[in-house]
Amino acid sequence: QSVLTQPPSVSGAPGQRVTISCTGSSSNIGAGYDVHWYQQLPGTAPKLLIYGNNNRPSGVPDRFSGSKSGTSASLAITGLQAEDEADYHCQSYDNSLGGSRVFGGGTKLTVL
Amino acid sequence: QVQLVQSGAEVKKPGASVKVSCKASGYTFSNFAMHWVRQAPGQGLEWMGWINGGRTKYSQKFQGRVTISSDTSASTAYIEVSSVTYEDTAVYFCARDSPGLFYFTYWGQGTVLTVSS
Repeated sequence: QSVLTQPPSVSGAPGQRVTISCTGSSSNIGAGYDVHWYQQLPGTAPKLLIYGNNNRPSGVPDRFSGSKSGTSASLAITGLQAEDEADYHCQSYDNSLGGSRVFGGGTKLTVL
Repeated sequence: QVQLVQSGAEVKKPGASVKVSCKASGYTFSNFAMHWVRQAPGQGLEWMGWINGGRTKYSQKFQGRVTISSDTSASTAYIEVSSVTYEDTAVYFCARDSPGLFYFTYWGQGTVLTVSS
């Protein structure tokens, strides 16, 4: 059971917009810690997609955006493309039990 | 460029120990923490712990059964899991963050551990 909660799956047609939620608690997201997102293609390592809630590393298209409010965060993908089909993971820091990194359970995005 | 290259796949019997390595290049190894994250089949990512300048910190779940170490001269980090069970079957990743930043910029390619009798 993951500390952060994500929907197991989302789907959308090419060109559409989808969002993926990430819900935490008062010891992680709600405590003010940033949320980061990773994209994981099948059989590969995760790749940093969004850092610091809403910042994109160099090379990540602006179709990807992040937001955070209260104890939750969201990843939005606009103009869906077939190559966006992947697993998406949110991650934050948790100050309980001496501090640790925490992840969501991951969300499988299917492009219809 | 930063690269993290992990050791190859492992197959272990229940109760055995396994040690996975992660060799870093392209940066000064001692200046950055190295984390270990695992992913069981069909599951999400799970943070296991980190090592930084000889200091270690573990997820409470793995405290006592996992040991993270490093050889600075070889720019290599290690994770050893003892008394493995079928539930330890997973892909193990090393990942590097940056000082003061709590996200992982660089990842190893992953090492598959299969626990099978």
